[in-house]
Amino acid sequence: KNQVEQSPQSLIILEGKNCTLQCNYTVSPFSNLRWYKQDTGRGPVSLTIMTFSENTKSNGRYTATLDADTKQSSLHITASQLSDSASYICVVSARAQTGANNLFFGTGTRLTVIP
Amino acid sequence: NAGVTQTPKFQVLKTGQSMTLQCAQDMNHEYMSWYRQDPGMGLRLIHYSVGAGITDQGEVPNGYNVSRSTTEDFPLRLLSAAPSQTSVYFCASSYRGGSERAKNIQYFGAGTRLSVL
Repeated sequence: KNQVEQSPQSLIILEGKNCTLQCNYTVSPFSNLRWYKQDTGRGPVSLTIMTFSENTKSNGRYTATLDADTKQSSLHITASQLSDSASYICVVSARAQTGANNLFFGTGTRLTVIP
Repeated sequence: NAGVTQTPKFQVLKTGQSMTLQCAQDMNHEYMSWYRQDPGMGLRLIHYSVGAGITDQGEVPNGYNVSRSTTEDFPLRLLSAAPSQTSVYFCASSYRGGSERAKNIQYFGAGTRLSVL
C-alpha cells in the first residue's frame, strides 16, 4: 500500500535553533519527493522537489535529503525564525502512464517556533 | 499572474443544499485537481483533470462533480451537501505528469473552508 508517514506530528522549538523533520514512504514506483510548507489558513507552497537521483536539495535555510534505498527523507531547518511556524507536508509522487500526477500526502508536521 | 484563485474563501451550507466551488488558474497548466483536507489526515484527491474536456475520479469522489470546459477553470460541485463534507477544499494545478517542465510542481489555491450544518 502506498503510504507516506511523517514524524514528529508536532514540534516546538526556540527561535534560532535547528530542527529536522522526517518522512518515510512506501510509494512505488517512485517518481519524486516534495516538501511543502503550509501556513495556517493558506494553501501548501512547494519548498523542494527531488527525483530519484538527487539526494539533497536546498532552498535557503531549508535543506531536504532523500535516501531512495531506505525510502526516507528529511527536512532540516537551520536558524529557525518565527515565520517558520507552519505545517510541513511530505508528498511522494508515483510514476503514472496516464499523465495523472499520483501524489501521496503525509499528514504533516506542525512546527511552532517560539521567541 | 495570479496563480490559482479559489472562491469563495468561506461558505456555510445547510444539509441538502448545492453549491459550486470555483477554481481558476492563469499559468496554462494542463493538470488541475481538487483535494480536501481534514484534521489528522493528509490531503485527499477528489477529482482531477489532465486537460480540457477530460476529468477523472480521485480517492474520494462521492458527492462531488467536476467539469473542465476550459484550460483555466475547474469548478467543483456539491450536489447535495452533507455534514461529512465539512472540510477545507484546495484546488491545485501543474503541468501534466511526465512533463519535465517545472518538475510538475503543484501550485495550490488558498482554500475554501466549507461548513455543512
